[in-house]
Parts: sequence; C-alpha cells; structure tokens
Amino acid sequence: AQSVTQLDSQVPVFEEAPVELRCNYSSSVSVYLFWYVQYPNQGLQLLLKYLSGSTLVKGINGFEAEFNKSQTSFHLRKPSVHISDTAEYFCAVSFFSGGYNKLIFGAGTRLAVHP
Amino acid sequence: KAGVTQTPRYLIKTRGQQVTLSCSPISGHRSVSWYQQTPGQGLQFLFEYFSETQRNKGNFPGRFSGRQFSNSRSEMNVSTLELGDSALYLCASSLAPGDNGNTIYFGEGSWLTVV
Repeated sequence: AQSVTQLDSQVPVFEEAPVELRCNYSSSVSVYLFWYVQYPNQGLQLLLKYLSGSTLVKGINGFEAEFNKSQTSFHLRKPSVHISDTAEYFCAVSFFSGGYNKLIFGAGTRLAVHP
Repeated sequence: KAGVTQTPRYLIKTRGQQVTLSCSPISGHRSVSWYQQTPGQGLQFLFEYFSETQRNKGNFPGRFSGRQFSNSRSEMNVSTLELGDSALYLCASSLAPGDNGNTIYFGEGSWLTVV
C-alpha cells in the first residue's frame, strides 16, 4: 500500500528565513511525486512535480524539492520565504494501477510566515 | 487556457436536502476526479470518471454519486445531506489515465455548508 507522511503539521518561520517542509512516502510500486499549495479559501495549486530524471526539481514561487529514493523522501525547500507564502502545503504521490491514476495526499503542513 | 472551473463556489443547504456540484475540466482533459476536504479528515478521494464511466471510487456512502458527460464535464450529487457533509469539494482534471505521471489539476472548490 502507498502512504504519505508529512512530518510537521505546522511550521512557523520568520520572513526571509529558509524553510524546509518534510515529506516521506511508502510505496511498493513506482510513484510520481507532487507538492501542492492551498492558500486560504482556495483550491489546490500545483507547486512542482517529480516524474523522472534530475532529482532536484524547481517549481513556482521559488520553491524546489529533492527526491531521495533511498530515504523515500521528497522535501520541499525555499531559501527565503515571504509573508505571501503562508498557506497549507500538501505532498502527494501518484501511481497508475488498475487502469486509473490514483493520488494519495499527506495530511498537510501549515506554513506560517511571520514578519 | 482556462483552468478547472467549479460551480457554485459557495452554498448553504439544510439537512435532508440534496445538492449538485458542477465541474468543467481543463480543455482536452478527459479524466475528472472529486475530493472532499474537511479539517478533521483532510483530503479524501470520492471518485474518478473517464469516458463517462466511473473508474474508481473512494470509501463514501451511496448518497454520494457522480456522472460525467460526453464533453468531459462532470457533476457530483449528494442526497439526504447530513451535517457532516459540510466540506470543501474539489474537482480535479487530468489527461487520459496512464502510467506517465499524469498531473492532476484542481479547481477552486465548492464550499458546502449543511445547517
């Protein structure tokens, strides 16, 4: 079975500081990895994705993530956060099985950026 | 091009009523899936449609149903509403299912409040 664990439910950080949101996954099959962001009262927006190739992927708004197969991790990082980055971040894995694509989400990490 | 469009954005219903939510996928996308998001349960998969056929279903009671039309637009219906059905309902679309890291894009969601 596949599962996603986001290790921190909340991450407080000061503006312009770096941040890392941690994500670990468990899967018996090959998966694709995603980070989504949800701003207050909005839907989910795709931040970045890892399908194959380079393990360091860059996304929108200055975010990047590194896929580590041996540690089954896909941590999200940003070198300098802004107030506007305050949101909930979801890590997800996708796999194809039984004729359909299934997306499994972590519980989410609430990033709170303080001035 | 336009993203995933959901209507209505906000609605209030009374217990026992039924509700229909609508979703228009991104142009060219033929797979539509629905998710329920609540503070307690997080993001939960409801069902997925492709070519007007339900391909996959989550663990929800039969009061939750959906359908997909020939133009890939989808509707979901919840009958005999309960207070616990209050949630954000997210629609997502993607290209045809396949083992290709099929990226799933989300709409802004429909906020349902049951009173």
